[in-house]
Amino acid sequence: GAVVSQHPSWVICKSGTSVKIECRSLDFQATTMFWYRQFPKQSLMLMATSNEGSKATYEQGVEKDKFLINHASLTLSTLTVTSAHPEDSSFYICSAKVPTGDTSPLHFGNGTRLTVT
Amino acid sequence: AQKITQTQPGMFVQEKEAVTLDCTYDTSDQSYGLFWYKQPSSGEMIFLIYQGSYDEQNATEGRYSLNFQKARKSANLVISASQLGDSAMYFCAMRLRGSNYKLTFGKGTLLTVNP
Repeated sequence: GAVVSQHPSWVICKSGTSVKIECRSLDFQATTMFWYRQFPKQSLMLMATSNEGSKATYEQGVEKDKFLINHASLTLSTLTVTSAHPEDSSFYICSAKVPTGDTSPLHFGNGTRLTVT
Repeated sequence: AQKITQTQPGMFVQEKEAVTLDCTYDTSDQSYGLFWYKQPSSGEMIFLIYQGSYDEQNATEGRYSLNFQKARKSANLVISASQLGDSAMYFCAMRLRGSNYKLTFGKGTLLTVNP
């Protein structure tokens, strides 16, 4: 159980276009999901906390107008990279917490590798 | 603010031997949880083991065990009987109680298991 599906696995887009990444919890409801960004050979950096039915909470330094997050249902959060530029190329990975207690881990999607040309 | 430190950028181990991956943390909170995740080259994050700050016994999960030394603020991961499939990045992470489940990650350790 506790499967998080992320789509697409990889995407190549042209500079100036927008890209949407989906994160779904397949067998549980997630009121809270998290979006991380990871540069090559580096750690995961939290970008934002996605809350079902309300606005996302962004970490300091993350442009909320560039990285649009929508958490419209208990099983789906989306991250849209707007007007993408080559510096937005990165590995984006989402996670969700199973609502069964404070000690349960976050479950991660398989990530999306974004390349902006 | 909390901080996770993994001082080993890379580690090598022979197949079937045990290896310890270091993790130290810094927080003034008394209630927190510590996690280890494995990230293969394919990119997915695989949860390995959890230790709560109030847990008196070290956590174990199969070949994984966590050497928790609270006074020293360390939470080292021990992998016994290493397998070739254990080659991956390993991340230590911490979550503070009341932080809305946000995880803070260390920089990771790249483990290579040699045949």
